[in-house]
Amino acid sequence: QKEVEQNSGPLSVPEGAIASLNCTYSDRGSQSFFWYRQYSGKSPELIMSIYSNGDKEDGRFTAQLNKASQYVSLLIRDSQPSDSATYLCAVNSGGYQKVTFGTGTKLQVIP
Amino acid sequence: DVKVTQSSRYLVKRTGEKVFLECVQDMDHENMFWYRQDPGLGLRLIYFSYDVKMKEKGDIPEGYSVSREKKERFSLILESASTNQTSMYLCASSHTGGLGAYEQYFGPGTRLTVT
Repeated sequence: QKEVEQNSGPLSVPEGAIASLNCTYSDRGSQSFFWYRQYSGKSPELIMSIYSNGDKEDGRFTAQLNKASQYVSLLIRDSQPSDSATYLCAVNSGGYQKVTFGTGTKLQVIP
Repeated sequence: DVKVTQSSRYLVKRTGEKVFLECVQDMDHENMFWYRQDPGLGLRLIYFSYDVKMKEKGDIPEGYSVSREKKERFSLILESASTNQTSMYLCASSHTGGLGAYEQYFGPGTRLTVT
């Protein structure tokens, strides 16, 4: 059973702090990794993709991938109340159309 | 920008009715997906399609069928709606290969209530 695991939270951080969201996956053959943001009552929105080990930065967001340890993380710098949402980690096992989603971590940024 | 649209945002149907949910994408994506999302259960894949007229079962296909007659359109059919199919239904699309492969883009969702 291919699994993607996330802590459900809520993760509470003060405004301006760094939020760190973590995800582990079980399939060593996984090749593509995605982070989605989902506001309450809305659909998931893709915010980051990462395909190779290391860090990938996009504005206030940094995705980190460590394939040897089978984890992927998302850092949000200078967290804002508008970042309060559920963050979904998703993993694709190379060459196949499906992705496996985690159940998400709820982030609360406290003003 | 990728755009995925769904036919309805909110839908109320009665038990036993046949329900059609339609999804259209404008990015020439090969792959299209139907999920349902319920509190505490996350996203669960119902069916997906990787080409016109092709379909594969996901994790929870029972009670559902799908149709893909055109590349841009993917329909989910509830043959006889039941109350346990009350849920948020999400359509997504992605392409295979190249930059951004397998990134899924979601439509706004249809909140279906079966009474």
